[in-house]
Amino acid sequence: DGGITQSPKYLFRKEGQNVTLSCEQNLNHDAMYWYRQDPGQGLRLIYYSQIVNDFQKGDIAEGYSVSREKKESFPLTVTSAQKNPTAFYLCASMAGGGTQPQHFGDGTRLSIL
Amino acid sequence: QKEVEQNSGPLSVPEGAIASLNCTYSDRGSQSFFWYRQYSGKSPELIMFIYSNGDKEDGRFTAQLNKASQYVSLLIRDSQPSDSATYLCAAPSGNTPLVFGKGTRLSVIA
Repeated sequence: DGGITQSPKYLFRKEGQNVTLSCEQNLNHDAMYWYRQDPGQGLRLIYYSQIVNDFQKGDIAEGYSVSREKKESFPLTVTSAQKNPTAFYLCASMAGGGTQPQHFGDGTRLSIL
Repeated sequence: QKEVEQNSGPLSVPEGAIASLNCTYSDRGSQSFFWYRQYSGKSPELIMFIYSNGDKEDGRFTAQLNKASQYVSLLIRDSQPSDSATYLCAAPSGNTPLVFGKGTRLSVIA
């Protein structure tokens, strides 16, 4: 079955720790995205990548980093510089072309210990 | 900055009624529009998309697009309690990623 897999489902971060959220897709989509969602709020774009080995900052990139070494994978690292990381993190992918929808993974819920 | 605006709600409708969800967008160049449903604690799920002016029907859902007024809506007929969720409207803007509205929370009362 084609889809987007995010892991882990739940993640806890200690003070000063970097954590990495995994996102893998087998849809052969070119573009991948990371969003953050806080309770009762909309989606905020962190980073996106439209092609392998290239990515762009979104609206709230500070304290986060990404890589796109393979088409299928777009991991997100939440660094210790992100002082308020508790949120629901969503990864999405999209086929090429500006008229296509994004498809989402099931999300990772990150909390501070 | 390109924007997609939605009324945050909550919108409450009785079971069996028609729920009408509205969305306006600022980029006249947007060519496609998407509606996502998001249940509490879950990820957004694509339920409808529309590219052309007019209506598009899929089961109990109808999407309506009016490009002249920069307005897109989603109608849910025979609303069920299971339709209670937040509905997100999204539109592309140039080469940037989809722009999402903040969502409208729908509550269907049994």
